Amino acid sequence: GAVVSQHPSRVICKSGTSVKIECRSLDFQATTMFWYRQFPKQSLMLMATSNEGSKATYEQGVEKDKFLINHASLTLSTLTVTSAHPEDSSFYICSARSLFTGNTIYFGEGSWLTVV
Amino acid sequence: DAKTTQPPSMDCAEGRAANLPCNHSTISGNEYVYWYRQIHSQGPQYIIHGLKNNETNEMASLIITEDRKSSTLILPHATLRDTAVYYCIVRVALAGGGADGLTFGKGTHLIIQP
Repeated sequence: GAVVSQHPSRVICKSGTSVKIECRSLDFQATTMFWYRQFPKQSLMLMATSNEGSKATYEQGVEKDKFLINHASLTLSTLTVTSAHPEDSSFYICSARSLFTGNTIYFGEGSWLTVV
Repeated sequence: DAKTTQPPSMDCAEGRAANLPCNHSTISGNEYVYWYRQIHSQGPQYIIHGLKNNETNEMASLIITEDRKSSTLILPHATLRDTAVYYCIVRVALAGGGADGLTFGKGTHLIIQP
């Protein structure tokens, strides 16, 4: 299957600072990438959808100015959590699809964010 | 996308076949059934998907009823590493588009017992 990789896998940042998470499709060009958030013992919640070269579409209740998503190339999308607070601590997961994957969506390993 | 119903948890003995059911009674004609699993603290892993025919790959088999209102994921010889939350998701699969993300329910927590 297609490979999606995230970096970093774990990050700790201080409250008020910003942190960037990268998502890369390693062996295919991803026309669409998705970002999810998962709190402990809960299911994945879709945050936003991004198409290469376009502005991301955010789900209801997700602050676009707080969670900046950039999908500047067909193999890289970034999620920047700005002015992070402890309640932003969560497991962030990206996924990607393309014609190459036949519309099947593949997920990255996830990134644990802890805001202290 | 149609909603799905799965049991919250299941146990299976190691080495036996694990059969995970999913109900999707409101599925539309152009919606596929997808299965993913999430091992603790990892991103979801794609397992298999199908439209109306039964499907098999190196990981599992997918059996879809003739009326498409339910399906069963079969792990033929479960191992301890198959312990995970399994998600059944129905969605439209368009070769040239379909940019919608997946909607995850609560899934089935499958526990493989030694």
